[in-house]
Order: sequence, then C-alpha cells, then structure tokens
Amino acid sequence: EDQVTQSPEALRLQEGESSSLNCSYTVSGLRGLFWYRQDPGKGPEFLFTLYSAGEEKEKERLKATLTKKESFLHITAPKPEDSATYLCAVQASGATNKLIFGTGTLLAVQP
Amino acid sequence: DGGITQSPKYLFRKEGQNVTLSCEQNLNHDAMYWYRQDPGQGLRLIYYSQIVNDFQKGDIAEGYSVSREKKESFPLTVTSAQKNPTAFYLCASSITLQQVAFFGQGTRLTVV
Repeated sequence: EDQVTQSPEALRLQEGESSSLNCSYTVSGLRGLFWYRQDPGKGPEFLFTLYSAGEEKEKERLKATLTKKESFLHITAPKPEDSATYLCAVQASGATNKLIFGTGTLLAVQP
Repeated sequence: DGGITQSPKYLFRKEGQNVTLSCEQNLNHDAMYWYRQDPGQGLRLIYYSQIVNDFQKGDIAEGYSVSREKKESFPLTVTSAQKNPTAFYLCASSITLQQVAFFGQGTRLTVV
C-alpha cells in the first residue's frame, strides 16, 4: 500500500536554528514528490516538486532533497514567518496519479 | 489575478441537509479535485475530474456528489448521507492529472 510518513509531528526552533523535516514514502512507482506549506485556516501553498533521486530544489531558506525512500526539507536560519505546517505528498505512477499526503510537520519558530 | 476561489469560507449545516461548496478556477486547468482535511490526518481525496463532463470517485466519495459542467467550476455537494461531514474542504486544480496541484483557501463546514 502506498504510504507517506512525516516526522517529526511538531518541531519548535529558535530563530536562526537550522533543522530538517523528513518525509519517508513507500510507493509502487514514484512520479513526483511535492512539498506544500499550510498556514492555519488556509489552503496549502505549493513549494517544490522533486522527480528523481538526487534532485534538489531551493527557495529562500528552504531546500528540498530526494532519495529513493525519503525527502528532506532543510530550513536554514529560520525566521518566525516560516512557522507553518509543512505537508509532503507523493504522486504514484498509475491511472489516477492522485496525491497521497502525509499528516504534516507543524513548525514553530520562536524569536 | 489567476487562482482558485472557494466559497463560502465558513458554512454551517443542520443535520439532514444537503449543502453545496463552490470552487471556481481561472487558471485554465483541465483537472480539478476535492480533498477533505481532518485534524491528525493527511488530506484525503473525495472526487477528481480530468476534464469537463467527466469525474471519478476518490478514496472517500460516499456521501458526496460533484458535477463538472464547465471547465472553471467543480462544485461539491455534501449530502445527508455523509455521516461525519464536519471538516475542512479543499479544492485544487492542475493543468493535467500529472502536473502539480494548486489549492484554494478552503471551506470549513460545521454540522450544528
């Protein structure tokens, strides 16, 4: 069964304290892995798509990497405005190509 | 501005009533989706549509219905058959089923 697991469930950082969020997945055939940011009461905001092992994408303080079994979202020198829930989703090869979401990591960055 | 508009933002429903959630996009996307989000769970797919006049059930379609009469619109009806409708509902769209999905701002439905 296709599955996505994110860890930790919650993470509290001090401003400037770098860390990483993990997304591990099992899927029959990976078409793509997606990272989203979600603020409370809002819809997810697209961040990155990764397609193959070894691929990396960067945006401001965020960097996403991909291996054959997991993806990491590295946050460098975070600021309070980076506080949000970060969602990972995988798209499996197949007829529907639907997204399978993890439960997210709630990140809180304290000033 | 291009985007996905969901309305209303908050919706209250009495038990036994059907309600319809609106989703409109002006991105010229062919594919549209409805997801449900509950605390502690990942987003779950309710229905999706690859093209106008076509839609498919997702993982939790029971108690829901959709239509896709126009490319821009994909309304979701939550029927009285849905046993636990209180949730945050998210509409999304993508150029095709294989492309990245962009989300609306959501509708929070509460049964009173």
